[in-house]
Amino acid sequence: GDSVTQMEGPVTLSEEAFLTINCTYTATGYPSLFWYVQYPGEGLQLLLKATKADDKGSNKGFEATYRKETTSFHLEKGSVQVSDSAVYFCALSRQAGTALIFGKGTTLSVSS
Amino acid sequence: NAGVTQTPKFQVLKTGQSMTLQCAQDMNHNSMYWYRQDPGMGLRLIYYSASEGTTDKGEVPNGYNVSRLNKREFSLRLESAAPSQTSVYFCASSQFATNEKLFFGSGTQLSVL
Repeated sequence: GDSVTQMEGPVTLSEEAFLTINCTYTATGYPSLFWYVQYPGEGLQLLLKATKADDKGSNKGFEATYRKETTSFHLEKGSVQVSDSAVYFCALSRQAGTALIFGKGTTLSVSS
Repeated sequence: NAGVTQTPKFQVLKTGQSMTLQCAQDMNHNSMYWYRQDPGMGLRLIYYSASEGTTDKGEVPNGYNVSRLNKREFSLRLESAAPSQTSVYFCASSQFATNEKLFFGSGTQLSVL
């Protein structure tokens, strides 16, 4: 079945470091791909999305490119801030009318 | 602008007790969802309602029931709580089931002793 695999956390970085969180997927057809972020004590919120191969989603300095050949959607940011500390979830859509499938989440901790 | 509102925020139950988690959205969304979040497991779908009047099982429906009371409200019921149901529960909504931008509530932390 369809699934999402994320790198294990936690990821611990210093402020202004480069961030990569790996995400790979298994799916039939051509799913849409997403990154959601969960700040402490809150629900998830959509960070960015890409709907077809080679699309790049971007928001708040974060980017991810839909790579069909490697079935990947890695999240990157050039210079992280303390305020980026959160849990990041990769997700994909299945066929229309069903709900998203989420990865297990990766905790990012950024220190000053 | 409230978005998705869940009640209660915290709850402690004894094994075998029942309770209902409430969820309401004010965005006129058609689709609503219940997820549970467990350490190391990420989010797993319990039930969802693609539109008013329909409900479908997700990945982990056992031990739960749902009611789509109207377009705004989607409740989750635990008939006989078990320690394995200790989790954080999130309600979410989206304009349509094909629209993958979900709006989440702030969660209910449930402990079953």
